[in-house]
Amino acid sequence: ELKVEQNPLFLSMQEGKNYTIYCNYSTTSDRLYWYRQDPGKSLESLFVLLSNGAVKQEGRLMASLDTKARLSTLHITAAVHDLSATYFCAVDPRKLSFGAGTTVTVRA
Amino acid sequence: KAGVTQTPRYLIKTRGQQVTLSCSPISGHRSVSWYQQTPGQGLQFLFEYFSETQRNKGNFPGRFSGRQFSNSRSEMNVSTLELGDSALYLCASSREGAGTGELFFGEGSRLTVL
Repeated sequence: ELKVEQNPLFLSMQEGKNYTIYCNYSTTSDRLYWYRQDPGKSLESLFVLLSNGAVKQEGRLMASLDTKARLSTLHITAAVHDLSATYFCAVDPRKLSFGAGTTVTVRA
Repeated sequence: KAGVTQTPRYLIKTRGQQVTLSCSPISGHRSVSWYQQTPGQGLQFLFEYFSETQRNKGNFPGRFSGRQFSNSRSEMNVSTLELGDSALYLCASSREGAGTGELFFGEGSRLTVL
């Protein structure tokens, strides 16, 4: 059974500092997805990582994928309040399996 | 371009009743998948339909069923509702199929079972 583990589950960030969220998964997958969810809202696609070594950046967020290590990271640069949300990673091309989510709070 | 549309957005049912949720995918998207989100279990895959055929199914009891129509719209049905079925049900569509392309999620249908 595919397991997807995210850590940390809760992350309190200070504005202006850098942080990383980790996503480990248990079986081979060459595709990994990152989503953002605001409270009471749906999931917003952030990144689709399609191959080993893939790196994508959008604004203050950068995601990377290491399929050999079965690890993806979501790096946040110079955190700002607008980044407060829950972030999910997901894998498996056949039936998307999600991590538990990382709830991010950015404080001044 | 219209996004994924789910109806109804909110509904309240009692134990034992059944419910049908609807999902209209983005135009041109032929794959529709359904997910259940609860605080305790997180996001769990229910099933995926492509061209009116169920291609993948998650680990849910037979009370959960779905179908897809020729216009790619999908419905899911939950019969004999239990309190534990209270959740946000999310529908997602993609052009080629879950995992082969980016998934776009609807706003969800929030079901409360009393």
